[in-house]
Amino acid sequence: AQTVTQSQPEMSVQEAETVTLSCTYDTSESNYYLFWYKQPPSRQMILVIRQEAYKQQNATENRFSVNFQKAAKSFSLKISDSQLGDTAMYFCAFPDNNAGNMLTFGGGTRLMVKP
Amino acid sequence: DAGVTQSPTHLIKTRGQHVTLRCSPISGHKSVSWYQQVLGQGPQFIFQYYEKEERGRGNFPDRFSARQFPNYSSELNVNALLLGDSALYLCASSLGLGGNQPQHFGDGTRLSIL
Repeated sequence: AQTVTQSQPEMSVQEAETVTLSCTYDTSESNYYLFWYKQPPSRQMILVIRQEAYKQQNATENRFSVNFQKAAKSFSLKISDSQLGDTAMYFCAFPDNNAGNMLTFGGGTRLMVKP
Repeated sequence: DAGVTQSPTHLIKTRGQHVTLRCSPISGHKSVSWYQQVLGQGPQFIFQYYEKEERGRGNFPDRFSARQFPNYSSELNVNALLLGDSALYLCASSLGLGGNQPQHFGDGTRLSIL
């Protein structure tokens, strides 16, 4: 069974600074995808960024980027120039290639951006 | 374009009752998945449907059932409700079943069991 672990239950960062959220996972697959989702207090789960495991280059979406270390099975999310609107729960998620694309989620990291 | 829509947004039930939650996927999406999110935890997979067939089932009791209709909308049914069923129920849709196809989530239904 696949597992996804987020070791930081809560984090805080000052507005305009940079923060990194950690995620590790376990899989026997060689080709797969990884996702980071954001869930603000409004509840809707929003896709932030995705990484394809066979790509060496780390994915980037505006202020969001990942540090993907395939051998270490690590997939961290870096948020640059943090904004108040980044305050949310962040979930690392891993689709099961053998069962449609059902997602296994980590336990989440609650990020608070302080003014 | 409309996103994933779920109804109702909130629901209060008592133990032993049954409940039906509804989900309409993004237009063109043929896959619908259901997740249960207990407060303070990550979502847990319940079911996935594609082209009206069940394609995956999580570790939930038989009290949980679902179906997908010809228009790709879906219902999640829970019978004999328990206090532990109190949670946010999320519906997600995707174009297909590929791992590269991200799931898009609705706002969820908050179910409270008294």
